[in-house]
Formats: sequence, C-alpha cells, structure tokens
Amino acid sequence: VIWMTQSPSLLSASTGDRVTISCRMSQGISSYLAWYQQKPGKAPELLIYAASTLQSGVPSRFSGSGSGTDFTLTISCLQSEDFATYYCQQYYSFPWTFGQGTKVEIK
Amino acid sequence: QITLKESGPTLVKPTQTLTLTCTFSGFSLSTSGVGVGWIRQPPGKALEWLALIYWNDDKRYSPSLKSRLTITKDTSKNQVVLTMTNMDPVDTATYYCAHPDPRPGSFFFDYWGQGTLVTVSS
Repeated sequence: VIWMTQSPSLLSASTGDRVTISCRMSQGISSYLAWYQQKPGKAPELLIYAASTLQSGVPSRFSGSGSGTDFTLTISCLQSEDFATYYCQQYYSFPWTFGQGTKVEIK
Repeated sequence: QITLKESGPTLVKPTQTLTLTCTFSGFSLSTSGVGVGWIRQPPGKALEWLALIYWNDDKRYSPSLKSRLTITKDTSKNQVVLTMTNMDPVDTATYYCAHPDPRPGSFFFDYWGQGTLVTVSS
C-alpha cells in the first residue's frame, strides 16, 4: 500500500492569496496523481490528473506539479469559491489511495 | 452527459448487510475500458476507495474490506450494486459511486454521484 502524507491539514488564507498544498508519497508514483476539490455536503470534483493536467472546465488559477514522491497543488489567486477541502489520490498502484485532505478556510 | 446516483437504505443495524445501487447514464458498461467505482467518506474524514467493476466484469476490491464486499453490474439496467456484509458503526459514511476515466491506466474519477449517507446503528 502506498501511504500519502498531505499537508497542511488546515490552511487559513485570504482571497487573492497564493496557496500551496503538498502531497508526499511513501514510494514513487511517477505522475499518477489526481487532485480533487470537495465543498461541504457535496461530492468531490476532479481538478487535476496526471499530476499537472487540468481537467476540462477547471479555472487556470489551479495548477499541479511534481513527480515521483512529491507533489503540489497551487491556487495562484484564491477566490471565494475556492474555500473547500482538497484531496490528492494516487493511481499508480492498487489499492488506489487518497490523502487525508487539506481544508482551506478563510483567514 | 454522464450522471450517477446512489440509492439504498439510510439506516442499517449492526451485523446487517448493506446493499447500495448506483444508477448511471451517459455511458455504457458494455463499452471497452469503462468502469464504475465506489468510494466512501465517514463524517468529517477522508475518502476511502472501496471497489471497482469494469466492462469485462473485472473486479477490484480494497484489500482491507475485500472479505465483506461484492460488486456486480447489470448492464441492461445501467446499474452497479455494492454489497457490504457485517456492517458496523464504523462503516457509517457517505457512499459515493463514481466513473473512472476510461483511458488505460487512468484510475482517477472524473464523475461522481451525489453520495448517500448510511448510518449504522441499532
């Protein structure tokens, strides 16, 4: 099983801030990483796959980077609708696993 | 347009078997590469992948829950059914069905159902 460490678990930020979320793997996964956004009471939504490919319809202020064991989700200019919880997911090896989540809250 | 919707009981008793149905539209489980998966999320906690079934009836299960899970499909009804035996209060969660990207090696989920909250309590 590939273990994932997502940090921070809670991030306080203001509208307009640049925020960065980290996801670290217990072993290399090449670029087989996805990022999801989840708002309260809603299902997760796919933001990024293959570590850096933006899903259709996702604003360009979201970006992903990294390969191997260290990955980053960046929101370049935080908007009010971006306050949510973000999860990474590895799909390099079975069983597919999710990170513990990062809640982005209003400072 | 791909949509998925979960249905099933909202309350089950400990030791009972949970049966959830995912009814989908916008794709067919008879098409090569297509699958449907189940993921759950306990209240306030992270996501946990449970099971996945493919167009060719290939099935994958979370190793930690494999002994309790069964996933089946009814292609004619556009439905996937997940059963989980011996339910326990720790299984209280929102259960989601989701559509994995159909490209080879792309085991991420591009469409999700709205989820259904299942509470396990006597």
